[in-house]
Amino acid sequence: GNSVTQMEGPVTLSEEAFLTINCTYTATGYPSLFWYVQYPGEGLQLLLKATKADDKGSNKGFEATYRKETTSFHLEKGSVQVSDSAVYFCALNSGGYQKVTFGTGTKLQVIP
Amino acid sequence: DAGVTQSPTHLIKTRGQHVTLRCSPISGHKSVSWYQQVLGQGPQFIFQYYEKEERGRGNFPDRFSARQFPNYSSELNVNALLLGDSALYLCASSSTSVSTDTQYFGPGTRLTVL
Repeated sequence: GNSVTQMEGPVTLSEEAFLTINCTYTATGYPSLFWYVQYPGEGLQLLLKATKADDKGSNKGFEATYRKETTSFHLEKGSVQVSDSAVYFCALNSGGYQKVTFGTGTKLQVIP
Repeated sequence: DAGVTQSPTHLIKTRGQHVTLRCSPISGHKSVSWYQQVLGQGPQFIFQYYEKEERGRGNFPDRFSARQFPNYSSELNVNALLLGDSALYLCASSSTSVSTDTQYFGPGTRLTVL
C-alpha cells in the first residue's frame, strides 16, 4: 500500500536559517505529492503540490521537487521566519479519488 | 467566501455512545472527504463522497459511516464509541473528485471518548 515517511521532529532553527524536511514515499502508479502545513490553532492548509515527476511545487518561499528516481519530495526554504513555525505534513495521492496518505508530520520551531 | 465549516468544535462522549459530526463544504464544492487525526499523527482517510455517492473508503470499521446531502453538506457517524476513537476529525472539500484537485480542510471537531 501507499506510505509516506518524513523526518522526525521537532526541528529547531534560528531565523534566516536554511530548512530541509525530508520526505520519501512508497506508492503504486504515479502519485501526486503534497506538502500541507498546520499552524498552531489552525486547520490544515495546502502549501504546495507536484503532480508528475520532475515537477517543482513552490509557494511562500518553500519549494519541493518530485523525484521519481529517489521517491522523494523534500521540502526546502532558503531563509525561515518565526512565522513559519508549524507542523508540516508530506502527503500523496495515487488513487482515482481523493484518498490522501499523510506522513506523521514534522514540527518546525523557528527562534528569533 | 466562507471556508469549510464543521460542527461541533468539541465533543465529549462516553464509551458505547454514538456521535454525529457535521461538515459544510465551500460553496460550489461537491466533494467532501473525512479524515481522523490522532494526536501526534498525520490524518488518516475515512471516506470521500462526491455528488452524494461514496467514492472511497479507508481502513475503518463499519462503526464509521457517512452520508452527503443534496446541498453537499455531510455527516460522519460513529457508533459504539471506543476510547481509541478520540481524535480530531477533519473534513475537506474540493470542487471535483479528481485526485489532483486541491482539498480545503476545515478546523476539525475534537472528539474525546471517556
